[in-house]
Amino acid sequence: DAMVIQNPRYQVTQFGKPVTLSCSQTLNHNVMYWYQQKSSQAPKLLFHYYDKDFNNEADTPDNFQSRRPNTSFCFLDIRSPGLGDAAMYLCATSRRTDPYEQYFGPGTRLTVT
Amino acid sequence: GQSLEQPSEVTAVEGAIVQINCTYQTSGFYGLSWYQQHDGGAPTFLSYNALDGLEETGRFSSFLSRSDSYGYLLLQELQMKDSASYFCAVRNQNGANNLFFGTGTRLTVIP
Repeated sequence: DAMVIQNPRYQVTQFGKPVTLSCSQTLNHNVMYWYQQKSSQAPKLLFHYYDKDFNNEADTPDNFQSRRPNTSFCFLDIRSPGLGDAAMYLCATSRRTDPYEQYFGPGTRLTVT
Repeated sequence: GQSLEQPSEVTAVEGAIVQINCTYQTSGFYGLSWYQQHDGGAPTFLSYNALDGLEETGRFSSFLSRSDSYGYLLLQELQMKDSASYFCAVRNQNGANNLFFGTGTRLTVIP
């Protein structure tokens, strides 16, 4: 089955220690997104890639970076995690022509100690 | 700026019908999507309305009125498994390929 996969599902990191979250997709979608979702809140878009074109949201902290080495993979790097970065991180994909219908991975729950 | 408003919580009885409203304010509106998210799970796409009117998909229907900047999700024959959070989402005002999500409505279905 075509899907969006995120690894790891749970990640614990120390305050200030860099961490990388990964996402892969078998849907062959042009667009990949990274969202941050805190408890009982809406998903908040951090950035997205349209093919290799990177689009950063204006309020995404510089602490968050992303890489998309190919169509299938996308990474979220948090350079110096703070306690406030503890959240669920969701990866999603969509076809270029249909950004309304996004396919989400199961998410990575990040804990910062 | 842009904003979407939804009720924070709704409770309904199993077998009943429930309507979850969404009012939005955004420039360059393209359409309204709805997503379901169970606790600890990922959002799942339910429906999309670009034009006024009702779209039906099984037990779920979604409605849009562009003139009123308003939409709703209608869930019929409620089942316990429908207990989840429901988000409406609009295309971001900068016209890029992304969505702006509402605050979500937590639906609780009771026996």
